[in-house]
Amino acid sequence: SYELTQPPSVSVSPGQTARITCSGDALPKKYAYWYQQKSGQAPVLVIYEDSERPSGIPERFSGSSSGTMATLTISGAQVEDEADYYCYSKDSSGHHRVFGGGTKLTVL
Amino acid sequence: EVQLVESGGGLVQPGGSLRLSCAASGFTFSSYEMNWVRQAPGKGLEWVSYISSSGSAIYYTDSVMGRFTISRDNAKNSLFLQMNSLRAEDTAIYYCARENPTGDIQDWGQGTLVTVSS
Repeated sequence: SYELTQPPSVSVSPGQTARITCSGDALPKKYAYWYQQKSGQAPVLVIYEDSERPSGIPERFSGSSSGTMATLTISGAQVEDEADYYCYSKDSSGHHRVFGGGTKLTVL
Repeated sequence: EVQLVESGGGLVQPGGSLRLSCAASGFTFSSYEMNWVRQAPGKGLEWVSYISSSGSAIYYTDSVMGRFTISRDNAKNSLFLQMNSLRAEDTAIYYCARENPTGDIQDWGQGTLVTVSS
Protein backbone atom coordinates (compact mmCIF):
# COMPACT_ATOMS: atom_id res chain seq x y z
CA SER A 1 0.00 0.00 0.00
CA TYR A 2 1.07 3.56 -0.65
CA GLU A 3 2.88 5.49 2.08
CA LEU A 4 3.85 9.08 2.79
CA THR A 5 6.94 9.49 4.97
CA GLN A 6 7.45 12.37 7.41
CA PRO A 7 10.09 12.96 10.11
CA PRO A 8 8.66 12.17 13.56
CA SER A 9 9.73 15.49 15.04
CA VAL A 10 11.08 18.93 14.20
CA SER A 11 12.22 21.48 16.74
CA VAL A 12 12.92 25.20 16.26
CA SER A 13 13.24 28.32 18.38
CA PRO A 14 10.57 31.04 18.13
CA GLY A 15 11.15 33.20 15.07
CA GLN A 16 13.09 30.53 13.22
CA THR A 17 11.93 28.77 10.06
CA ALA A 18 10.52 25.30 10.45
CA ARG A 19 10.49 22.91 7.50
CA ILE A 20 8.57 19.64 7.51
CA THR A 21 9.03 17.23 4.65
CA CYS A 22 6.80 14.55 3.18
CA SER A 23 8.01 12.00 0.68
CA GLY A 24 5.94 9.75 -1.55
CA ASP A 25 6.36 8.13 -4.95
CA ALA A 26 3.15 9.60 -6.37
CA LEU A 27 3.82 13.19 -5.32
CA PRO A 28 5.19 14.18 -8.75
CA LYS A 29 1.66 13.63 -10.08
CA LYS A 30 -0.55 14.13 -7.03
CA TYR A 31 -1.10 17.21 -4.92
CA ALA A 32 0.03 17.36 -1.30
CA TYR A 33 -2.10 18.83 1.47
CA TRP A 34 -1.06 19.77 4.99
CA TYR A 35 -2.99 19.64 8.24
CA GLN A 36 -2.26 21.07 11.67
CA GLN A 37 -3.68 19.23 14.66
CA LYS A 38 -3.48 20.49 18.21
CA SER A 39 -4.14 18.22 21.15
CA GLY A 40 -7.78 17.18 21.46
CA GLN A 41 -8.88 19.08 18.37
CA ALA A 42 -9.91 18.16 14.84
CA PRO A 43 -7.30 18.75 12.12
CA VAL A 44 -7.12 22.13 10.38
CA LEU A 45 -6.14 22.46 6.72
CA VAL A 46 -3.18 24.83 6.35
CA ILE A 47 -2.06 24.14 2.75
CA TYR A 48 -3.91 22.62 -0.21
CA GLU A 49 -2.83 21.73 -3.74
CA ASP A 50 0.87 21.82 -2.77
CA SER A 51 1.13 25.54 -2.11
CA GLU A 52 -2.26 27.21 -1.73
CA ARG A 53 -3.22 28.70 1.62
CA PRO A 54 -6.86 28.62 2.79
CA SER A 55 -8.39 31.85 3.96
CA GLY A 56 -7.61 32.57 7.58
CA ILE A 57 -4.29 30.74 7.60
CA PRO A 58 -1.36 33.06 8.45
CA GLU A 59 1.03 33.98 5.65
CA ARG A 60 3.93 32.40 7.53
CA PHE A 61 2.59 29.01 6.38
CA SER A 62 3.69 28.03 2.88
CA GLY A 63 4.04 24.85 0.88
CA SER A 64 6.05 23.57 -2.03
CA SER A 65 6.56 20.33 -3.88
CA SER A 66 9.37 19.04 -6.06
CA GLY A 67 9.69 15.52 -7.37
CA THR A 68 8.78 13.01 -4.71
CA MET A 69 8.96 15.47 -1.82
CA ALA A 70 6.55 18.07 -0.52
CA THR A 71 7.56 20.61 2.10
CA LEU A 72 5.60 22.67 4.61
CA THR A 73 7.47 25.79 5.67
CA ILE A 74 6.58 27.93 8.66
CA SER A 75 8.53 31.17 8.42
CA GLY A 76 9.04 32.79 11.78
CA ALA A 77 7.46 29.97 13.77
CA GLN A 78 5.52 31.01 16.85
CA VAL A 79 4.83 29.15 20.07
CA GLU A 80 1.20 28.74 19.05
CA ASP A 81 2.34 26.78 15.99
CA GLU A 82 3.34 23.87 18.22
CA ALA A 83 1.23 20.97 16.97
CA ASP A 84 1.26 17.77 14.99
CA TYR A 85 1.42 18.26 11.23
CA TYR A 86 0.24 15.71 8.69
CA CYS A 87 0.70 15.59 4.94
CA TYR A 88 -2.10 14.03 2.88
CA SER A 89 -2.35 12.92 -0.70
CA LYS A 90 -3.61 10.19 -3.01
CA ASP A 91 -1.95 7.16 -4.50
CA SER A 92 -1.11 6.99 -8.20
CA SER A 93 -4.57 5.62 -9.07
CA GLY A 94 -6.19 8.62 -7.40
CA HIS A 95 -8.51 6.31 -5.50
CA HIS A 96 -6.86 5.74 -2.13
CA ARG A 97 -6.19 8.64 0.18
CA VAL A 98 -3.28 8.50 2.62
CA PHE A 99 -1.91 10.51 5.52
CA GLY A 100 1.72 10.74 6.45
CA GLY A 101 2.71 9.50 9.88
CA GLY A 102 2.75 13.01 11.30
CA THR A 103 5.47 15.36 12.54
CA LYS A 104 5.46 16.86 16.01
CA LEU A 105 6.62 20.47 15.79
CA THR A 106 8.13 21.91 18.96
CA VAL A 107 8.72 25.66 19.17
CA LEU A 108 10.75 26.64 22.24
CA GLU B 1 -22.31 26.77 8.35
CA VAL B 2 -21.15 23.26 7.53
CA GLN B 3 -21.96 20.78 10.28
CA LEU B 4 -21.03 17.12 10.47
CA VAL B 5 -22.27 15.22 13.50
CA GLU B 6 -21.17 11.64 14.07
CA SER B 7 -22.95 9.11 16.25
CA GLY B 8 -22.97 5.40 16.92
CA GLY B 9 -19.63 4.90 18.60
CA GLY B 10 -19.19 2.93 21.79
CA LEU B 11 -17.67 -0.12 23.41
CA VAL B 12 -17.86 -3.38 21.48
CA GLN B 13 -16.25 -6.79 21.93
CA PRO B 14 -13.75 -8.12 19.42
CA GLY B 15 -15.61 -9.69 16.52
CA GLY B 16 -18.62 -7.46 17.08
CA SER B 17 -20.27 -4.85 14.87
CA LEU B 18 -21.12 -1.17 15.01
CA ARG B 19 -22.77 1.23 12.59
CA LEU B 20 -21.58 4.81 12.59
CA SER B 21 -23.71 7.63 11.25
CA CYS B 22 -22.89 11.17 10.21
CA ALA B 23 -25.61 13.79 9.89
CA ALA B 24 -24.65 16.58 7.50
CA SER B 25 -26.10 20.06 7.27
CA GLY B 26 -25.26 23.52 5.98
CA PHE B 27 -24.35 22.40 2.45
CA THR B 28 -25.70 20.39 -0.47
CA PHE B 29 -24.70 16.95 0.77
CA SER B 30 -25.46 15.17 -2.50
CA SER B 31 -22.83 17.26 -4.30
CA TYR B 32 -19.87 16.27 -2.13
CA GLU B 33 -17.57 13.30 -1.86
CA MET B 34 -17.21 12.07 1.70
CA ASN B 35 -14.65 10.17 3.75
CA TRP B 36 -14.20 8.44 7.07
CA VAL B 37 -10.91 9.11 8.83
CA ARG B 38 -9.83 7.60 12.15
CA GLN B 39 -7.28 8.31 14.82
CA ALA B 40 -6.22 5.70 17.37
CA PRO B 41 -5.41 7.01 20.86
CA GLY B 42 -2.08 8.82 20.76
CA LYS B 43 -1.55 7.91 17.10
CA GLY B 44 -1.74 9.64 13.74
CA LEU B 45 -4.56 10.20 11.30
CA GLU B 46 -5.57 7.26 9.11
CA TRP B 47 -7.83 7.47 6.08
CA VAL B 48 -10.43 4.69 6.22
CA SER B 49 -12.88 4.98 3.35
CA TYR B 50 -14.20 7.21 0.54
CA ILE B 51 -17.55 7.44 -1.23
CA SER B 52 -18.35 9.56 -4.27
CA SER B 53 -21.22 12.03 -4.28
CA SER B 54 -23.58 9.57 -5.97
CA GLY B 55 -22.26 6.54 -4.12
CA SER B 56 -21.08 4.89 -7.31
CA ALA B 57 -17.39 4.89 -6.36
CA ILE B 58 -16.19 3.46 -3.06
CA TYR B 59 -12.68 2.81 -1.77
CA TYR B 60 -11.21 1.43 1.45
CA THR B 61 -7.86 1.25 3.13
CA ASP B 62 -6.47 -2.28 3.00
CA SER B 63 -6.88 -3.01 6.71
CA VAL B 64 -10.68 -2.63 6.67
CA MET B 65 -11.43 -4.08 3.22
CA GLY B 66 -14.07 -6.79 3.51
CA ARG B 67 -15.03 -5.79 7.07
CA PHE B 68 -16.26 -2.20 6.73
CA THR B 69 -18.92 -0.83 4.36
CA ILE B 70 -19.40 2.84 3.60
CA SER B 71 -22.74 4.11 2.31
CA ARG B 72 -24.77 7.28 2.09
CA ASP B 73 -28.38 8.43 1.88
CA ASN B 74 -28.47 11.70 -0.03
CA ALA B 75 -32.19 12.14 0.64
CA LYS B 76 -31.46 12.14 4.37
CA ASN B 77 -28.11 13.98 4.21
CA SER B 78 -26.43 11.09 5.97
CA LEU B 79 -23.20 9.10 5.73
CA PHE B 80 -22.71 5.68 7.29
CA LEU B 81 -19.96 3.23 8.14
CA GLN B 82 -20.95 -0.35 8.91
CA MET B 83 -18.11 -2.00 10.81
CA ASN B 84 -18.07 -5.78 11.20
CA SER B 85 -15.54 -8.24 12.63
CA LEU B 86 -14.07 -5.48 14.76
CA ARG B 87 -10.57 -5.84 16.14
CA ALA B 88 -8.70 -4.16 18.96
CA GLU B 89 -6.70 -2.22 16.40
CA ASP B 90 -9.91 -0.59 15.13
CA THR B 91 -10.14 1.33 18.41
CA ALA B 92 -10.07 5.00 17.44
CA ILE B 93 -11.96 8.23 17.10
CA TYR B 94 -13.79 8.09 13.79
CA TYR B 95 -14.29 11.35 11.91
CA CYS B 96 -16.77 12.08 9.15
CA ALA B 97 -15.03 14.36 6.65
CA ARG B 98 -16.18 16.34 3.64
CA GLU B 99 -13.91 16.40 0.61
CA ASN B 100 -13.70 19.63 -1.38
CA PRO B 101 -13.46 19.70 -5.20
CA THR B 102 -9.80 20.73 -4.67
CA GLY B 103 -9.21 17.30 -3.12
CA ASP B 104 -8.71 18.39 0.45
CA ILE B 105 -10.74 17.68 3.54
CA GLN B 106 -11.60 21.03 5.09
CA ASP B 107 -14.60 20.09 7.18
CA TRP B 108 -14.56 17.50 9.95
CA GLY B 109 -17.06 16.29 12.49
CA GLN B 110 -16.26 16.20 16.18
CA GLY B 111 -15.60 12.48 15.98
CA THR B 112 -17.10 9.44 17.67
CA LEU B 113 -15.05 7.05 19.79
CA VAL B 114 -15.07 3.35 18.99
CA THR B 115 -13.48 1.07 21.57
CA VAL B 116 -12.99 -2.60 20.78
CA SER B 117 -12.24 -4.51 23.94
CA SER B 118 -13.37 -7.53 25.91
